[in-house]
Amino acid sequence: AQSVAQPEDQVNVAEGNPLTVKCTYSVSGNPYLFWYVQYPNRGLQFLLKYITGDNLVKGSYGFEAEFNKSQTSFHLKKPSALVSDSALYFCAVRDISTENTGTASKLTFGTGTRLQVTL
Amino acid sequence: GAGVSQTPSNKVTEKGKYVELRCDPISGHTALYWYRQSLGQGPEFLIYFQGTGAADDSGLPNDRFFAVRPEGSVSTLKIQRTERGDSAVYLCASSEAGNYGYTFGSGTRLTVV
Repeated sequence: AQSVAQPEDQVNVAEGNPLTVKCTYSVSGNPYLFWYVQYPNRGLQFLLKYITGDNLVKGSYGFEAEFNKSQTSFHLKKPSALVSDSALYFCAVRDISTENTGTASKLTFGTGTRLQVTL
Repeated sequence: GAGVSQTPSNKVTEKGKYVELRCDPISGHTALYWYRQSLGQGPEFLIYFQGTGAADDSGLPNDRFFAVRPEGSVSTLKIQRTERGDSAVYLCASSEAGNYGYTFGSGTRLTVV
């Protein structure tokens, strides 16, 4: 079974400072990893994904994430936070060992981390 | 359409009633997913369709929940004999075959009173 852990319920950062939102995962095979953001009363928006290749993945709105296989982590980062980044962030994993290439399958989400950026 | 459309955006129903939630995916997306998000939780997988068939319905909590996608496009999630514990935001997402990212709709907020 695949699972994701987001150990922090909330992260507080001052605007202009770097931010990190933590995520660790568990899969039986190789993972596909994702970050989504959710603003109040809105659906989930895709930020970035790791499928293969370079461990540092760059995504929307200046966010990036680093895949670390030995630590089974996929932390979300941004060099300089903005107040408008305040939202709920979800990490998700898909275990590719249980599916055929080219077909779709489910993502398993973490419980979310609320990011609060203040002036 | 331009995005995933879910209707209604809000639904209040009485305990014991039947409800239907509709999802209209992005045109051409063959995969469609239903998730449920309770307050303070991450999205919880319910079911996904590849075309018209349910490829994985392992997340449906019990036999009161059922979903269909008869023509491989629009999907309806049906909940019979609703209970207060069914109150949540029901999210729909779609993706192209082989595409690893989903596009989510804005969700339907279901409240059972």
